[in-house]
Amino acid sequence: DQQVKQNSPSLSVQEGRISILNCDYTNSMFDYFLWYKKYPAEGPTFLISISSIKDKNEDGRFTVFLNKSAKHLSLHIVPSQPGDSAVYFCAVSTGTASKLTFGTGTRLQVTL
Amino acid sequence: GAVVSQHPSRVICKSGTSVKIECRSLDFQATTMFWYRQFPKKSLMLMATSNEGSKATYEQGVEKDKFLINHASLTLSTLTVTSAHPEDSSFYICSAKPAGARRLEQFFGPGTRLTVL
Repeated sequence: DQQVKQNSPSLSVQEGRISILNCDYTNSMFDYFLWYKKYPAEGPTFLISISSIKDKNEDGRFTVFLNKSAKHLSLHIVPSQPGDSAVYFCAVSTGTASKLTFGTGTRLQVTL
Repeated sequence: GAVVSQHPSRVICKSGTSVKIECRSLDFQATTMFWYRQFPKKSLMLMATSNEGSKATYEQGVEKDKFLINHASLTLSTLTVTSAHPEDSSFYICSAKPAGARRLEQFFGPGTRLTVL
C-alpha cells in the first residue's frame, strides 16, 4: 500500500523552463514534507522541505507548494538547468518520529 | 562535511551465503542510522532504524533474523543479509542522523547493489 505516490515516473523539460514535480499522499497525519534529489550511484541528497503549517517554501530556484486539503505537494524548479537532471523523491514524516516514507521517484531530464 | 560511505558498493554472492554491508559516517557521529531497500523503479523502503548501543527497530514485514543490524559505534552500522536468496537482490541504502541534528536531518550513503545468484 503506497502511502506516497509520484505518478509521473519521468519528466522532460527544456533548459530555462519550469519543472514541476508532483507528489500525492494518503495520510492526513503526515506533517512534514521533504524533497530529495538523487544522482546515479549516489545516495539521495536533501533539497527542500515544508511543514504542514505552511503552504509554500522557497529556496533559490526551488519552491515547494503544499495543498493539505488535496494531500498534494509539488516541487517547482525555475529556471531548470541541465545539472538538475536526476531522480527526485518526495518524502513525508509524522509526529516526533525520524522515520521517512518515500515516494516512487520522478526522473527529470533537462534538455538543452 | 556530512559524508556517509557504504562498503561494498556492489556485491555478487551465491544463494545461501551471508553478506555484510557497512555504513560509516565519515566526519560526524551518528546516534541513529537507517537502512533502506530500493527495488527497481520503486521507492526507498525503510527496513529498520538502529540506535548506537541498542537493538534495531524493524519495520513491519522485515525479518529480523534475515537482516541482522549492528550499530556498534557512533560511526558504524552494519547490515548482514543472512542466507541470501535471489529475491534479496536489491539496492540497499543507509542513512545517518548526526548527534544533535534536527528530527528529520539525515545523510544518505551511495548505496550497495546486492545480486544473489
